[in-house]
Amino acid sequence: GAVVSQHPSRVICKSGTSVKIECRSLDFQATTMFWYRQFPKQSLMLMATSNEGSKATYEQGVEKDKFLINHASLTLSTLTVTSAHPEDSSFYICSARDYSFTDTQYFGPGTRLTVL
Amino acid sequence: AQSVTQLGSHVSVSEGALVLLRCNYSSSVPPYLFWYVQYPNQGLQLLLKYTSAATLVKGINGFEAEFKKSETSFHLTKPSAHMSDAAEYFCAVSAVRGAQKLVFGQGTRLTINP
Repeated sequence: GAVVSQHPSRVICKSGTSVKIECRSLDFQATTMFWYRQFPKQSLMLMATSNEGSKATYEQGVEKDKFLINHASLTLSTLTVTSAHPEDSSFYICSARDYSFTDTQYFGPGTRLTVL
Repeated sequence: AQSVTQLGSHVSVSEGALVLLRCNYSSSVPPYLFWYVQYPNQGLQLLLKYTSAATLVKGINGFEAEFKKSETSFHLTKPSAHMSDAAEYFCAVSAVRGAQKLVFGQGTRLTINP
């Protein structure tokens, strides 16, 4: 199956700093990627849809100025959490849509963000 | 709006027993339906998906699911549970046609008893 990677897998930062998370589709081109947030023992919540070469589409209630998304190539999307605060601590998961005959979202392994 | 309800946040079965995880959906368009599995501190792995072809869908690791439009259900089954099946399982529906804007259920934690 298709492979999606995320980097870093775990990051700890101080309050007020910014953190960048990378999401890469390793063996297919993904014009569309998605960013999810998962709180402990809860389901995934879609934050935004990232389209290559255009602005991301954010879900209602997600601050676009806090969660900056860039999708500059067909295999890379980045999520930057700006001026992070402890309440931003969470598990962030990306996925990439494979438009081939499978038309499936493949998920990355996730990034655990802890803001002190 | 699309939604998914997974009945039972926690299911426990004995090794070798039947696994049944329930999922009911609501969709205003013909749905794409998915089952994903998540192991601790990992991302999601696709088990299987329904895309309006055969109503009985076979996936990886011996899992299968049946799409029943009349019951708006897409329950996941496996005839014989294995210890390695212990994980969190998520049912999801596409909010629009195709594999995009997935709406996830609350998840079901599957525990396998030896």
